[in-house]
Amino acid sequence: GAVVSQHPSRVICKSGTSVKIECRSLDFQATTMFWYRQFPKKSLMLMATSNEGSKATYEQGVEKDKFLINHASLTLSTLTVTSAHPEDSSFYICSARGTTHTGELFFGEGSRLTVL
Amino acid sequence: QKEVEQDPGPLSVPEGAIVSLNCTYSNSAFQYFMWYRQYSRKGPELLMYTYSSGNKEDGRFTAQVDKSSKYISLFIRDSQPSDSATYLCAICQNQGGKLIFGQGTELSVKP
Repeated sequence: GAVVSQHPSRVICKSGTSVKIECRSLDFQATTMFWYRQFPKKSLMLMATSNEGSKATYEQGVEKDKFLINHASLTLSTLTVTSAHPEDSSFYICSARGTTHTGELFFGEGSRLTVL
Repeated sequence: QKEVEQDPGPLSVPEGAIVSLNCTYSNSAFQYFMWYRQYSRKGPELLMYTYSSGNKEDGRFTAQVDKSSKYISLFIRDSQPSDSATYLCAICQNQGGKLIFGQGTELSVKP
């Protein structure tokens, strides 16, 4: 299957700082990427849909000014958690749907954010 | 009513057992069905992808879709300890649409 790389896998930061997480599709072009958040023993909660070259579409209840998403190229999307607080600590996972993989979604390894 | 319902388990079986994992969904407009496996602290891994009623087999895994009942299943034959993970069903209305995930079933296969 297609490979989606996510970086960093773990990050610890102080409250009030910003953290950027990168999501790359390594062997295909991803016109659409999705960002999810997952709490322990819970399912994936879709945060936003990112389309290359346009603004992200955020799900209801997700603050777009807090979770900045950029999809500047067909292989890279970034999620920036701005002014992070302890309640932002979570497992963030990106996924990508490529132009050559009809309907299938491939996930990155996830990034565990801990805000102190 | 949630769009997708999945029994969270946990489910514990002995090695070699047949495992049945199930999800129900509420909207008949959903056309695409997936099963993902997620190991602890890892991203989900696509196991099976189907878009029609019936069975699809891949090795020890069989995905079953019954659109009339809005019911999907994943069967694991000859289960192994390495199958221990959380299994998530996911549904999608169209190929370009967003996935809606079930809660995930935590499976433990005991040697």
